[in-house]
Amino acid sequence: DSGVTQTPKHLITATGQRVTLRCSPRSGDLSVYWYQQSLDQGLQFLIQYYNGEERAKGNILERFSAQQFPDLHSELNLSSLELGDSALYFCASSVEGSNQPQHFGDGTRLSIL
Amino acid sequence: GQQLNQSPQSMFIQEGEDVSMNCTSSSIFNTWLWYKQDPGEGPVLLIALYKAGELTSNGRLTAQFGITRKDSFLNISASIPSDVGIYFCAGFLSYGGSQGNLIFGKGTKLSVKP
Repeated sequence: DSGVTQTPKHLITATGQRVTLRCSPRSGDLSVYWYQQSLDQGLQFLIQYYNGEERAKGNILERFSAQQFPDLHSELNLSSLELGDSALYFCASSVEGSNQPQHFGDGTRLSIL
Repeated sequence: GQQLNQSPQSMFIQEGEDVSMNCTSSSIFNTWLWYKQDPGEGPVLLIALYKAGELTSNGRLTAQFGITRKDSFLNISASIPSDVGIYFCAGFLSYGGSQGNLIFGKGTKLSVKP
């Protein structure tokens, strides 16, 4: 058990809809990262938050947004969903900066019908 | 964007054999991480490397941070069935101090014959 909790485990929805994925980092970790994993692209970094503030952005679409709350949990919002958004979405956390080992949750599998 | 070339893409080996996989990049990294992912689960950290030339072991696993800082390898000795899974390398690409991105390889899928 990595200590990182993600909910829900599975999500099935339709194109055009909006969903919210939730992540609780390991106790004591200040940084939260979101990744997308699809079959042909591997693990793609989306965005990082550190202590409530956006720290780094990767290949995140404008339709996607995230935030980190005062209790350090984070949410990833995906809107105007398209078939190609079907993927595993992972959250990871680390103590501070992103040069430290990141510990991953078990992911949310998003299926767009 | 930045890429890590991880090879081989897949391996199918006999139980008891040693396994070797590696990652290379055209960029310099100052941290290398190796993860294993089992089906339905998130990647689990196996080994972290922070210095060029560093050799670190975790049980039957040994990983090294290449001298050029552009590569790393992972060895598994005396493989067993539970070693099956996908192994990912990840390099930290710094753009200033402790800030940067973790770049992942596309994984090596390991299958072991019982």
